Amino acid sequence: NSKVIQTPRYLVKGQGQKAKMRCIPEKGHPVVFWYQQNKNNEFKFLINFQNQEVLQQIDMTEKRFSAECPSNSPCSLEIQSSEAGDSALYLCASSPQGNTGQLYFGEGSKLTVL
Amino acid sequence: GDSVTQTEGLVTLTKGLPVMLNCTYQTTYSPFLFWYVQHLNEAPKLLLKSSTDNKRTEHQGFYATLHKSSSSFHLQKSSVQLSDSALYFCALRNYGSSGNKLIFGIGTLLSVKP
Repeated sequence: NSKVIQTPRYLVKGQGQKAKMRCIPEKGHPVVFWYQQNKNNEFKFLINFQNQEVLQQIDMTEKRFSAECPSNSPCSLEIQSSEAGDSALYLCASSPQGNTGQLYFGEGSKLTVL
Repeated sequence: GDSVTQTEGLVTLTKGLPVMLNCTYQTTYSPFLFWYVQHLNEAPKLLLKSSTDNKRTEHQGFYATLHKSSSSFHLQKSSVQLSDSALYFCALRNYGSSGNKLIFGIGTLLSVKP
C-alpha cells in the first residue's frame, strides 16, 4: 500500500469552480512532486517542492494553479478556475534526500470537470 | 531537450510467453533510467532502475539492461503472468531541473490473457 496519502480520491467540479487536492508525503521525504496524468495516461510535471520551497513549476501551474507544502500540514494543489481540460488524475509523489531520483507515488486524485 | 520514447501503446500476450517493452531515451547528461508499473486504480510503483552501463538489473522476474551505446533500457520478462497486466512507464531522470524531476514515456499497456 502506498505511503503517500492523497485526498480526495475523486472530485467533480463545474467549469470555473475551484478544485483542491491534498497530499501527505511519505514520512521523512522532503521533496514533493505533482504530476497530471491525462486520459491517455501521459504524465505532465506540474510543480515540485523541497520542504516548503518551490523548486520548479510549469507555466500552467504558475498561472491557474496554486500549490503549497506548509510545514506540519498536508501539501495541496488547487486549481483556481477549473476547465474541462483539467480533467485528469493528479498524482503526488515524494522523494527522499539524496540523488536517486526515485519517486514514491500516491494513488492520485481523479478530477472530473463537467 | 531530454526525452523518453516507448514505441508500443498496447501489448497483448498469452500467459507464459516472453515480453519485451521498448524504451529509448535522449539526454546530454549521464542517464538514470527507471521502469514504473501502474496497476488499475493503483499508484505507480518503481519496478527497476539503473544508471550503470551494460549491467542487468532484475526485480520480480522483470529485468532490463541500460545500454548507453544504443540509448536503450528495454524491459523484459521470460514468462508473463495474468497479474502482470498493467501500465508500464519508462522514465528518465532530468538533471536539467531541480529536485530530480522524472520525464516519463507515454506508457505501454500490457494485457495478459489466459
